[in-house]
Amino acid sequence: EDQVTQSPEALRLQEGESSSLNCSYTVSGLRGLFWYRQDPGKGPEFLFTLYSAGEEKEKERLKATLTKKESFLHITAPKPEDSATYLCAVQAGVEAGGTSYGKLTFGQGTILTVHP
Amino acid sequence: NAGVTQTPKFRILKIGQSMTLQCTQDMNHNYMYWYRQDPGMGLKLIYYSVGAGITDKGEVPNGYNVSRSTTEDFPLRLELAAPSQTSVYFCASSYRDPALFTRRGNNLGNGYTFGSGTRLTVV
Repeated sequence: EDQVTQSPEALRLQEGESSSLNCSYTVSGLRGLFWYRQDPGKGPEFLFTLYSAGEEKEKERLKATLTKKESFLHITAPKPEDSATYLCAVQAGVEAGGTSYGKLTFGQGTILTVHP
Repeated sequence: NAGVTQTPKFRILKIGQSMTLQCTQDMNHNYMYWYRQDPGMGLKLIYYSVGAGITDKGEVPNGYNVSRSTTEDFPLRLELAAPSQTSVYFCASSYRDPALFTRRGNNLGNGYTFGSGTRLTVV
C-alpha cells in the first residue's frame, strides 16, 4: 500500500524566515511526486511534479527536491501570502494495461502560517 | 474558461437521504476524479474516470456511485447518506496521466485541476 507522511503538521514562521517541509513516501514504483497548495475553503492548486531522485524545481520562493524516500519543499524568505496548507501526493507505477490512470495518494498536509 | 465547477458549495443532508454532487469541466480533459477530504487526513480517492463511459472504484467507494455519460460531466451520487459521509468533496480533472513526462511545455510538470469543493454535512 502506498503511503505519504508529511511533517511537521503545522509550521509557524516569521516573514523572511526560511524553512523546509518534508514529505516521506513509500510507493510501488514512483511515477511522479506532486506538490499542491491549498488555501482555506478552496481546492488544491498544482505547484510541481517531480519524476526522479535528484530532480529539483523552483517557482518564486518555493523549491522542491526529491530523493528515493522523501521530498522537501524549501521556502525561502517567505511572505504572509505564502500561508496555506501544502499537500504532497505520489502516483504509483504502471498497473496492468500499461497505465496508472493518474490516481494519487495524498499526505495529510502541512499548515504553513507566515507572520508579518 | 471556468475550469472545474462543482455544485452545490454547501449541503446539509439527513441520514438516509440521497443527493448528487455535480462536477463539470470545460477543458476537454479525459481524466476525472472524486476525492473526499477529512480534517487531519489526506484526500482519499472515491471514484475516477478515464473517459466517457469508463469509471472505476478508488480507495473509498462504498456508499457512492458515479456515471460519465459525457466528457464534461462526472456526477457523484450518494445513496442513503450516513454521518460517516460528512466531508468536503473535491472533483478534479486532467487532460491525461498527470505523471506523463513531457520534455516540451511547462517545466513545472502536469497536475490535476481541482474544483472549489462541496462541503457536505449529514445529520
